[in-house]
Amino acid sequence: DQQVKQNSPSLSVQEGRISILNCDYTNSMFDYFLWYKKYPAEGPTFLISISSIKDKNEDGRFTVFLNKSAKHLSLHIVPSQPGDSAVYFCAAYNNNDMRFGAGTRLTVKP
Amino acid sequence: DGGITQSPKYLFRKEGQNVTLSCEQNLNHDAMYWYRQDPGQGLRLIYYSQIVNDFQKGDIAEGYSVSREKKESFPLTVTSAQKNPTAFYLCASTRYPAERTEAFFGQGTRLTVV
Repeated sequence: DQQVKQNSPSLSVQEGRISILNCDYTNSMFDYFLWYKKYPAEGPTFLISISSIKDKNEDGRFTVFLNKSAKHLSLHIVPSQPGDSAVYFCAAYNNNDMRFGAGTRLTVKP
Repeated sequence: DGGITQSPKYLFRKEGQNVTLSCEQNLNHDAMYWYRQDPGQGLRLIYYSQIVNDFQKGDIAEGYSVSREKKESFPLTVTSAQKNPTAFYLCASTRYPAERTEAFFGQGTRLTVV
């Protein structure tokens, strides 16, 4: 039962443009959401998070949007840089039960 | 520096053997997790532990076992009952009670059955 879904396995954008990564969830008990970035053969590293009481959180080039009614969140990266190329996972918390999506591979072309 | 350490980085196992993956953290985190990643797939939760001497099954616990005798350590045993053990295993930890903070991950262990 995949409670957190990232339906786009890959995304390719041009350097300087906006990258938008999407994530959907099914469990309404999730109350905290995070985005992680992962390089091959390494552990994920934390990028940005958002509580369910907010609808937007911004940190530099990264902004996460949460639409609770649609059970949808998105990560915007503006402007995209070649160093942003990695796999991005969204994750959701219900108490200490943390579930991840399948990931989206972002490629930023120079 | 505080962190979370997984060992070994690469592990080879013969079919029918049990093998234990180590995960140690010195972050004073209460909650610890084990995930499995297969090629082209996301992170699937195997087991998690909120406090010492307590752990819960995740989505794919069959064929795995864990223990949490110390706060710092959460070893994962891949038993011979696990039909497809070849994968990349990740251990993570977070503070508890659920302070809603990010998880810290180890560098992973790649297990290959030969």
